[in-house]
Amino acid sequence: GAVVSQHPSRVICKSGTSVKIECRSLDFQATTMFWYRQFPKQSLMLMATSNEGSKATYEQGVEKDKFLINHASLTLSTLTVTSAHPEDSSFYICSAYSGTISYEQYFGPGTRLTVT
Amino acid sequence: SQKIEQNSEALNIQEGKTATLTCNYTNYSPAYLQWYRQDPGRGPVFLLLIRENEKEKRKERLKVTFDTTLKQSLFHITASQPADSATYLCALDGNGSSNTGKLIFGQGTTLQVKP
Repeated sequence: GAVVSQHPSRVICKSGTSVKIECRSLDFQATTMFWYRQFPKQSLMLMATSNEGSKATYEQGVEKDKFLINHASLTLSTLTVTSAHPEDSSFYICSAYSGTISYEQYFGPGTRLTVT
Repeated sequence: SQKIEQNSEALNIQEGKTATLTCNYTNYSPAYLQWYRQDPGRGPVFLLLIRENEKEKRKERLKVTFDTTLKQSLFHITASQPADSATYLCALDGNGSSNTGKLIFGQGTTLQVKP
């Protein structure tokens, strides 16, 4: 399957600071990338849909001003957690998707964010 | 409201046996259903996709069934091995029969295969 990378894999930041997470599709051009969040012992929750060259769409309850998404190219999407709070501590996972090729999604390895 | 349910209790089986995991859904009419494997601290890995017009799909030791009348999918691992120990997630497109890629996941079932 396709390879998706995320950077950083782990980050610790102080309350009030911003953190940027990169998601790269290494071997195919993803028309769409998705961002998920996963709390311990829970399943993945979709946060937003990122389409190259257009604004991201957010799921209900996800603050777009807090979770800034930029999809600069068909292989790169970034998620910036602004003014982070301890409750934003979670496992953030991106996926790359090309509905024209297949319906499966290729997930990155995830980024563990800890806000102190 | 739409709901996907998997058995949240861990499944413990002996090596060599067949593991069977269940995924039930309500208020969906999905065009397809997917199964993923997730290891601790890692992102999910795609395993199998089964379409609504397919009753069964196989890939090596994996087999998935899809009953749209019962609104249920079963995921089987035959001749299980300790390396199969992981959490298995089923997922549906959140928009039901359309293909948006916006997956809704079940809570996952953790499988432990003992040598």
